[in-house]
Parts: sequence; structure tokens; C-alpha cells
Amino acid sequence: SAVISQKPSRDICQRGTSLTIQCQVDSQVTMMFWYRQQPGQSLTLIATANQGSEATYESGFVIDKFPISRPNLTFSTLTVSNMSPEDSSIYLCSLGTGEGDTQYFGPGTRLTVL
Amino acid sequence: AQSVTQLDSQVPVFEEAPVELRCNYSSSVSVYLFWYVQYPNQGLQLLLKYLSGSTLVKGINGFEAEFNKSQTSFHLRKPSVHISDTAEYFCAVNTRGSYIPTFGRGTSLIVHP
Repeated sequence: SAVISQKPSRDICQRGTSLTIQCQVDSQVTMMFWYRQQPGQSLTLIATANQGSEATYESGFVIDKFPISRPNLTFSTLTVSNMSPEDSSIYLCSLGTGEGDTQYFGPGTRLTVL
Repeated sequence: AQSVTQLDSQVPVFEEAPVELRCNYSSSVSVYLFWYVQYPNQGLQLLLKYLSGSTLVKGINGFEAEFNKSQTSFHLRKPSVHISDTAEYFCAVNTRGSYIPTFGRGTSLIVHP
């Protein structure tokens, strides 16, 4: 199984600012995913980040608000831009290697926007 | 499109009692089914999964789940829970041909001494 780390583990930010979340994997993977987990809610997929191509965003999420970088096969970043209190959530990165495969998750970044 | 319903948002139970966490799914094609557990301040980790074959699947920490195609269910069970089982449990479904699962809302299992 893969080991995934995320930075920061938590942060408190002011409205209107931006935060970049880093996700590091201990092995090379093609597909990485970014999820949002709001209190009492399910995990919602934000986007799929494949190395060497633009991220693919799910309905309701746009690149201007959640720009993603994927510079190599072990690293990705998600930026939450122009934050509002509604962006307060846990953000999780994950990876999966194929159809029916287990998804491996990072520990999450707990974001609070004041 | 597929969907997942976890019928209970919270399940309180006493230590050493049995527990069942319910999950129903909806899909027009064949599916893979998963249960993940999330301990406080941690990411999700796999408990067990059903891909094909035997409908009774055994996972880690003494959990098991049974795939029931006619009832489109994949309920999670444990015969005797421990305090350490207190966590959030997520049911997830992948349709065949998809890399991306759909998750249920989660069930909070609270084990009391």
C-alpha cells in the first residue's frame, strides 16, 4: 500500500485569502484525486489530477477556484482560492491504480475559514 | 449513474455487542463495493471490498459484509465491537469500467463502555 502525506494538516485562514495544500506519495502513481469532506457529508470529488495533463474537474468545481498542479508522479497541490467560510472543510488527496482498486487516502487537511 | 445510501447517520452500541451498518446502492450496471473506515483526524482506509465471487467478504478488525444483489445491499457487520471501533464508516460503489467510487454519507459508529 502507498503512504500519502499532506501539508498542512490544518489551518485557519481569513476570508479572501488562498491556501495551497500539498500531497506527497511514496511511490509513482498516474492518477491522483482531490476530495472535499464537509461536516456530516459524504466525500465529494473535486478533480482528477493526472501527471502531464490538465486536471479534470467535477461538476460544481472550477479551475479558477481550485487550481491543481501535478508536476510529477509523486506530488500534487490543490489551491483553494479566494476563500469564504463555505470552503471550511477537510480536503483529502487520494490515489487509485485501476478499476475496482482500493483507493488510498492522505490524512487530510482541515481548513477553517473565518 | 450510481448512488449509495447509508441509512443510519449514527449508530450507538455498547462494547462487545454486535453491530450492523447498512448500505444500499443503486446502479444499472455491475458494481464493485467497498467499506472504508475513518478514525478521528485520519484519512480513510479500506476495511473490505467485494469484486466478485463469494458474496460474504471478510475484512480487517473482524468486520465482514455480505453482498446481496437482489436487495442491492452491502451491509457491514461485526459480532462483538470494541471501544477502538469508534469511527466513521463509509460505503462506496464503483461501477465496472470506472476508476472513481461514489461514497455514501457515512455512519458514525459510537461504542460505549
